[in-house]
Amino acid sequence: SQELEQSPQSLIVQEGKNLTINCTSSKTLYGLYWYKQKYGEGLIFLMMLQKGGEEKSHEKITAKLDEKKQQSSLHITASQPSHAGIYLCGADQIQGAQKLVFGQGTRLTINP
Amino acid sequence: NAGVMQNPRHLVRRRGQEARLRCSPMKGHSHVYWYRQLPEEGLKFMVYLQKENIIDESGMPKERFSAEFPKEGPSILRIQQVVRGDSAAYFCASSPFGQIPWDNEQFFGPGTRLTVL
Repeated sequence: SQELEQSPQSLIVQEGKNLTINCTSSKTLYGLYWYKQKYGEGLIFLMMLQKGGEEKSHEKITAKLDEKKQQSSLHITASQPSHAGIYLCGADQIQGAQKLVFGQGTRLTINP
Repeated sequence: NAGVMQNPRHLVRRRGQEARLRCSPMKGHSHVYWYRQLPEEGLKFMVYLQKENIIDESGMPKERFSAEFPKEGPSILRIQQVVRGDSAAYFCASSPFGQIPWDNEQFFGPGTRLTVL
C-alpha cells in the first residue's frame, strides 16, 4: 500500500477557481514537503511543514499540516494557468532518516 | 547561485550498456540524494550520500546500481548492463545539513531521463 496517498490524482478547474489537494500519511510525519513538477522538469520546492497545526502561505498557495490526522492540504486561491502542473507531497516518516517518501502526485489542469 | 545541476538531461542506452548520471549539488551543500521516477509511478528514494560516504542505500537495487560522491567532483549514479526496466527519470537532490526536518529542504535538479532501447 502507498505510504503517502494524494487526492485527487487529477484535477481540472476553471481559471479563477479555488482548489484543494490532500496528502494523507499512514505513518507519523516528521516533516511534510510540497513540490511542484512540470512535465520534463525537476521539482520546485514550495513549502515545508513541520509542526502540527502549522500553516504556511506563499502568494496564492497555502499549505496546512494536521498532525493528528497525519494529513496535509494544499490550497490554491484564484487559480491561474501558471499553477498547472503536478503537485507532489513528500514526507520524512522516519525521524532523521534523510529520505523522503513521495505521494503519487496530483495533476492539475487550469482551463482558461 | 546555480541550483542542482544534472547531466546529461537525456541519455539513451542500448540494453547491456552502462549509464553514468552526474549530479553537482548546490554550492555549499554536502548531502546528495538520488531518486527514481518510473513511468506512471511516484518518486522513490534510492540512496543518500555525503562526501566519500554512502549513508543510506536502502532504496538501491541490489545489483547493477552503484553511487558515489567523491571528495572532488560530482556525485555519480552508475547503472551497469542496463535493461529496459531501468528507463526512468533520475533526480538528484542536495541539502546543506542533512538534518531533516530542521530547516533542511532538499533542492532538486532537473533530472536525467534515461531511455533504454
